[in-house]
Amino acid sequence: QVQLQESGPGLVKPSETLSLTCTVSGGSISSYYWSWIRQPAGKGLEWIGRIYTSGSTNYNPSLKSRVTMSVDTSKNQFSLKLSSVTAADTAVYYCARDQGAAAGAGFDYWGQGTLVTVSS
Amino acid sequence: QSVLTQPPSASGTPGQRVTISCSGSSSNIGSNYVYWYQQLPGTAPKLLIYRNNQRPSGVPDRFSGSKSGTSASLAISGLRSEDEADYYCAAWDDSLSGREVFGGGTKLTVL
Repeated sequence: QVQLQESGPGLVKPSETLSLTCTVSGGSISSYYWSWIRQPAGKGLEWIGRIYTSGSTNYNPSLKSRVTMSVDTSKNQFSLKLSSVTAADTAVYYCARDQGAAAGAGFDYWGQGTLVTVSS
Repeated sequence: QSVLTQPPSASGTPGQRVTISCSGSSSNIGSNYVYWYQQLPGTAPKLLIYRNNQRPSGVPDRFSGSKSGTSASLAISGLRSEDEADYYCAAWDDSLSGREVFGGGTKLTVL
């Protein structure tokens, strides 16, 4: 059974960079898209972007200038960096597996989510 | 403002059938698959429907999805108390170099 686990600081200061890692266990990270999705308290889901195991990326245009994603297939991990954070970036951050739009499988596995608070 | 439009709330009594709508455009629902996710309180979303109307294994057949043009809907029959959750529709959007878009979510209350 594939499992995803987010890790990283729960508190980030304004203007600094948020960094999270998602570790995939129970299956290979290869040949899939891996997405980051966030949810502010009491609000809906927002897709941040995705990375394929080749390293190619798609980012949400609204966040593109601040987002960087990377993948380490040797560690079965992928990562998110979001720069110049503000209080508006406070949210629960989820990582999820995606097989791509053509496959039509959706986000079939999700991490449990990690709360990141932006505050001084 | 979400790209896909859902009603903020829906309700029904046990045993009833409820439907949740999701409206989009030609660049998302009109040309790509629709997905539905169920989010129980305090938990991560769970895939409920993929490819417009397919259920992952383990999802009861009380849940069904459909799509027509630029709209989609989720139907839940034989409503149960454990179905009380937030439901989100999603689709790939071909505009702006491509992005996944979600509806704003519908809070389902079982009365």
